[in-house]
Amino acid sequence: GIQVEQSPPDLILQEGANSTLRCNFSDSVNNLQWFHQNPWGQLINLFYIPSGTKQNGRLSATTVATERYSLLYISSSQTTDSGVYFCAVEGNAGNMLTFGGGTRLMVKP
Amino acid sequence: DAGVTQSPTHLIKTRGQHVTLRCSPISGHKSVSWYQQVLGQGPQFIFQYYEKEERGRGNFPDRFSARQFPNYSSELNVNALLLGDSALYLCASSGRGIPGGQTQYFGPGTRLLVL
Repeated sequence: GIQVEQSPPDLILQEGANSTLRCNFSDSVNNLQWFHQNPWGQLINLFYIPSGTKQNGRLSATTVATERYSLLYISSSQTTDSGVYFCAVEGNAGNMLTFGGGTRLMVKP
Repeated sequence: DAGVTQSPTHLIKTRGQHVTLRCSPISGHKSVSWYQQVLGQGPQFIFQYYEKEERGRGNFPDRFSARQFPNYSSELNVNALLLGDSALYLCASSGRGIPGGQTQYFGPGTRLLVL
């Protein structure tokens, strides 16, 4: 099946700093989503982005499907950005999402 | 519109027991998927249902089963519980058409602890 790798696994930032999270995947995809999992376990949709670039406030994402990677940019980080960020992809052959291992982000005040 | 809802929020069971978890999709969504997330890992796919038929199954034993009802809500059943079944169980719903290439929206999850 499709493989998804996220980097870095852990990230500690000072409030106000910028960061880039990376997601590499092993095959072509129908769907790529970025999620933020809060401390209560809720997966919050950030982006649906199988290709191209999108922006939502301080967050933006870019997927280069031909090179099989996606990037999530967080600018001017806030303590509320802390949590785990997951990338998940759906291959062309199936309907299921395959998740990466996540990036655990801690933003310090 | 209400999001995906799941019940119960928390559950404690003992080994060997049976459990039923419930999920209601976003209004108008016809596809429901189930995922298991153990501590420290990303969610893993268990099942997908569309129009009451199973469209996908992950690498889980036959102790896991599911079904979808005419109103598109779904149940996940786990028999003969093991300690390793302790996890957060997530339900996701997507789209109004045949699944594939559509945004999946997740519910808040059910935390299952098996003692």
